[in-house]
Amino acid sequence: EPEVTQTPSHQVTQMGQEVILRCVPISNHLYFYWYRQILGQKVEFLVSFYNNEISEKSEIFDDQFSVERPDGSNFTLKIRSTKLEDSAMYFCASSETGANVLTFGAGSRLTVL
Amino acid sequence: AQSVTQPDIHITVSEGASLELRCNYSYGATPYLFWYVQSPGQGLQLLLKYFSGDTLVQGIKGFEAEFKRSQSSFNLRKPSVHWSDAAEYFCAGGGYNKLIFGAGTRLAVHP
Repeated sequence: EPEVTQTPSHQVTQMGQEVILRCVPISNHLYFYWYRQILGQKVEFLVSFYNNEISEKSEIFDDQFSVERPDGSNFTLKIRSTKLEDSAMYFCASSETGANVLTFGAGSRLTVL
Repeated sequence: AQSVTQPDIHITVSEGASLELRCNYSYGATPYLFWYVQSPGQGLQLLLKYFSGDTLVQGIKGFEAEFKRSQSSFNLRKPSVHWSDAAEYFCAGGGYNKLIFGAGTRLAVHP
């Protein structure tokens, strides 16, 4: 069964450092998403991406965050200068259409010290 | 504002017992509705979805959910719970382009 692949599974970084989280969506999917889940809290929408541009973003997705599809297979989330409160599990998801049948990856756990 | 509410934070059931997890939504129109399950250290796995049509939807692992417009609910049910069902369950609703998740219900299963 096709799956969304995320790397790394766990990253530890120092506050202020840049982090890039990588995702390989399902190959025929056109819509890509990042969500995050702070430990013990609900899963929150960050951003959606379609046709090489951001479709929608939440208030969490401030100037410290950016997304990119650098090639035909990867979808990345960059955090420019990490803060302690960025520590969370970050989930990438993709969908074939905008009808929201999302397939999620296993997540990348980010720990900011 | 759009929202998804899961009133129960924790639920404990005995293996073999029936299960119902509650979900209420608040949307301007009928949203797309989903149930996801998250096992420890794992990602989010789709159990089932409702877009339109038959209000009783069947999912994987023996789960089903019923959409009730009058109650703004989309409760998840399973007639007989297995120990492997212990996990966190998330209800989610979506309009175009993004999902709004409930806070989750953690299910514990006693032998």
